[in-house]
Amino acid sequence: AQTVTQSQPEMSVQEAETVTLSCTYDTSESDYYLFWYKQPPSRQMILVIRQEAYKQQNATENRFSVNFQKAAKSFSLKISDSQLGDAAMYFCAYRSGRNSGYALNFGKGTSLLVTP
Amino acid sequence: DADVTQTPRNRITKTGKRIMLECSQTKGHDRMYWYRQDPGLGLRLIYYSFDVKDINKGEISDGYSVSRQAQAKFSLSLESAIPNQTALYFCATKSGDVTGELFFGEGSRLTVL
Repeated sequence: AQTVTQSQPEMSVQEAETVTLSCTYDTSESDYYLFWYKQPPSRQMILVIRQEAYKQQNATENRFSVNFQKAAKSFSLKISDSQLGDAAMYFCAYRSGRNSGYALNFGKGTSLLVTP
Repeated sequence: DADVTQTPRNRITKTGKRIMLECSQTKGHDRMYWYRQDPGLGLRLIYYSFDVKDINKGEISDGYSVSRQAQAKFSLSLESAIPNQTALYFCATKSGDVTGELFFGEGSRLTVL
């Protein structure tokens, strides 16, 4: 099974600053999808951004962007102009492109603290 | 109303009791999933289902069973709950399109004493 590693259990950022959350993954597949999910204290799982492996262009959603390095198997999330509402657990996830259920493999998460 | 509804939202039970967590969805998706979340471990897949006749084990299925009563309903059972099954449980759904995202319920927090 593919493994997803988030090496930063906790991160801290000041409001309005930029922070980058790291994610690496291990796979032998060429067709796959990568995701970042946010889990605020409400515990709801919220999709932040997704990246298709066949796309070279890095995905961007407003203040959230990714740095996808396919050869290095790295998928980091950059949050610009951090806001207090960005405080949450962030999970990186991998999905195979093969029809093997399309389940997600999650990393262990990074807890992001945003300070005023 | 939520697209993916889990009941109960919170439950405290005792060791040895049988527990059922229920999930229903209004998205019309064929694929449904049960995940377990533990602090420091992320989310791990318990079971998933392609349709009512197709159920598959995930990474950590031991001690759990599931039932897909209809396309819209997928239940998770703990036949004899034990304390290390204390966790937050998520149901999720997905369309058959490979590019589609997972839609999660709001989670069921289970505490086994």
